[in-house]
Amino acid sequence: SQQGEEDPQALSIQEGENATMNCSYKTSINNLQWYRQNSGRGLVHLILIRSNEREKHSGRLRVTLDTSKKSSSLLITASRAADTASYFCATGINTDKLIFGTGTRLQVFP
Amino acid sequence: DAGVIQSPRHEVTEMGQEVTLRCKPISGHNSLFWYRQTMMRGLELLIYFNNNVPIDDSGMPEDRFSAKMPNASFSTLKIQPSEPRDSAVYFCASSRGLPSRRTDTQYFGPGTRLTVL
Repeated sequence: SQQGEEDPQALSIQEGENATMNCSYKTSINNLQWYRQNSGRGLVHLILIRSNEREKHSGRLRVTLDTSKKSSSLLITASRAADTASYFCATGINTDKLIFGTGTRLQVFP
Repeated sequence: DAGVIQSPRHEVTEMGQEVTLRCKPISGHNSLFWYRQTMMRGLELLIYFNNNVPIDDSGMPEDRFSAKMPNASFSTLKIQPSEPRDSAVYFCASSRGLPSRRTDTQYFGPGTRLTVL
């Protein structure tokens, strides 16, 4: 079964609002990564948080990691129509490979 | 610097035909990954290579699928014979491959959209 499960599956908001997506996973990890996928395109890496980190920021993105709960959240502040995409969490477990979650489809209306 | 390059971008073929998908990873990257994405099953890792050697092929669906990496700058994923249920978007990704088995960022190609009629 999937290592990562995102919640919600779909999210619709207005421009300027914040968007929060959650990810839960099952086993110990060495890092957790978030990726974005625009329709018809490949995935693009957004941010990586290591297992010994609790929070990380990159521009309008804020990621938190709670290893005791095996969960992470991605917050996009002041969303824009261009943020419309699917967002995936992916966990690294001491190998080269990542295990991707099911994704959250974000729609930002102008 | 060019990203991961995949070809073809679109492939339409008939059931039973052989399909070959190609990937050129980012120069200097040691690990290469093949994924398949469908609405029903999401993003699935099929196989990955490190330093041109297949490390984990547990995601390869069946013997009809095979992958090779003859050198550091080229990999192929072959389906023979193809079936309609193989229709999907196939992505190639590469990463530097960190020491100590830590998981690095992956860089994805644009994908090949395969349709098997």
